[in-house]
Amino acid sequence: EAGVAQSPRYKIIEKRQSVAFWCNPISGHATLYWYQQILGQGPKLLIQFQNNGVVDDSQLPKDRFSAERLKGVDSTLKIQPAKLEDSAVYLCASSQTEQGNEQYFGPGTRLTVT
Amino acid sequence: KQEVTQIPAALSVPEGENLVLNCSFTDSAIYNLQWFRQDPGKGLTSLLLIQSSQREQTSGRLNASLDKSSGRSTLYIAASQPGDSATYLCAVPVGYKLSFGAGTTVTVRA
Repeated sequence: EAGVAQSPRYKIIEKRQSVAFWCNPISGHATLYWYQQILGQGPKLLIQFQNNGVVDDSQLPKDRFSAERLKGVDSTLKIQPAKLEDSAVYLCASSQTEQGNEQYFGPGTRLTVT
Repeated sequence: KQEVTQIPAALSVPEGENLVLNCSFTDSAIYNLQWFRQDPGKGLTSLLLIQSSQREQTSGRLNASLDKSSGRSTLYIAASQPGDSATYLCAVPVGYKLSFGAGTTVTVRA
């Protein structure tokens, strides 16, 4: 079974620029998550989708971050404009259902904002 | 509010020594607990998932125990190898999202 795919793997941008990340979850997984992991910390949930609907985006800085999951499969996470503190690894994960199911993570995208 | 703690933050051992990694959580009403491995700059690889009804789970050299009443889980890695060097994170579901510890970074010296 193919795992969670993410691209790009690395991205370096200057502050105030915009950036987009892409995620393709495991086939058949209805739930998709975006996490932000700052160096030295555990991942923090940014947004969760159930099919193509948003379940939780309470931790998403909506003034600069946006995410969508069209057709309930692939998802994109965008940052515009980026700040220095957005430098982190952005992890996408998927699971079969919402609650209590094992989450499978992609390789992540390492973002550096200079 | 569920808080997950991992102590120590870093650990260095000689090759062959057994590793003991600790994870504690404040709310014992959990569905399961998951242990992950993370290599530098990479994503998370799931190692073991222990359901709340289980006391332990084993996979190869890895064994994870769960004591819900005391809010603790321990990951044992037998006969450590340099390839085991990585950061190990534990996580518990809080509703639908995972609450992570900050991880323990392990270095196995050859």
